[in-house]
Amino acid sequence: GAVVSQHPSRVICKSGTSVKIECRSLDFQATTMFWYRQFPKQSLMLMATSNEGSKATYEQGVEKDKFLINHASLTLSTLTVTSAHPEDSSFYICSASHLAGPPYEQYFGPGTRLTVT
Amino acid sequence: AQKITQTQPGMFVQEKEAVTLDCTYDTSDQSYGLFWYKQPSSGEMIFLIYQGSYDEQNATEGRYSLNFQKARKSANLVISASQLGDSAMYFCAMREAPVLNTGTASKLTFGTGTRLQVML
Repeated sequence: GAVVSQHPSRVICKSGTSVKIECRSLDFQATTMFWYRQFPKQSLMLMATSNEGSKATYEQGVEKDKFLINHASLTLSTLTVTSAHPEDSSFYICSASHLAGPPYEQYFGPGTRLTVT
Repeated sequence: AQKITQTQPGMFVQEKEAVTLDCTYDTSDQSYGLFWYKQPSSGEMIFLIYQGSYDEQNATEGRYSLNFQKARKSANLVISASQLGDSAMYFCAMREAPVLNTGTASKLTFGTGTRLQVML
């Protein structure tokens, strides 16, 4: 149980285009989803926290107009990188949580590797 | 603000030996949770072990144990009988106390990680 999927697993896009990454909780309802970014050989940095049906809360320094997050249902959150640039190339990981779960309540997706050319 | 420190960027261990990965933390919360995750080269984050701040016993999960020393604010991971498949990045993370009545799960703060290499 508690499986989280991400799609796509890898994406290459041209500079200036937008790309959407999906995060789905497959067997539970996720009240909260988190989006992280991980640059090579670095740690995971939280970008934003989203609750179903409400606006995402962004961490300091993360541009909300560039990284659009939508959490339209209890099983799906999307991250759209708008007008992507090469510096946005990174590994994006989502996690999902439900309050009824155990203390280790964040279940991570397998990640999406974004390359902007 | 919460902070997690992992001072070992890389560690080597001989197969079948035990290894300790260090983690210290800083928080003003009384209630918090500590986690260890393994990240192989594929990138997925694999949950290993959890320790709650009020847990009196050190957490254990198979070959993994967490050496929790609350007064020293340390939460070291001990891997016994290392295997080649244990070679990966290991991250220590802390969950802050949840905000009551908001329906929002609390976020994780990660350390910088330790790359473990298991040798034959």
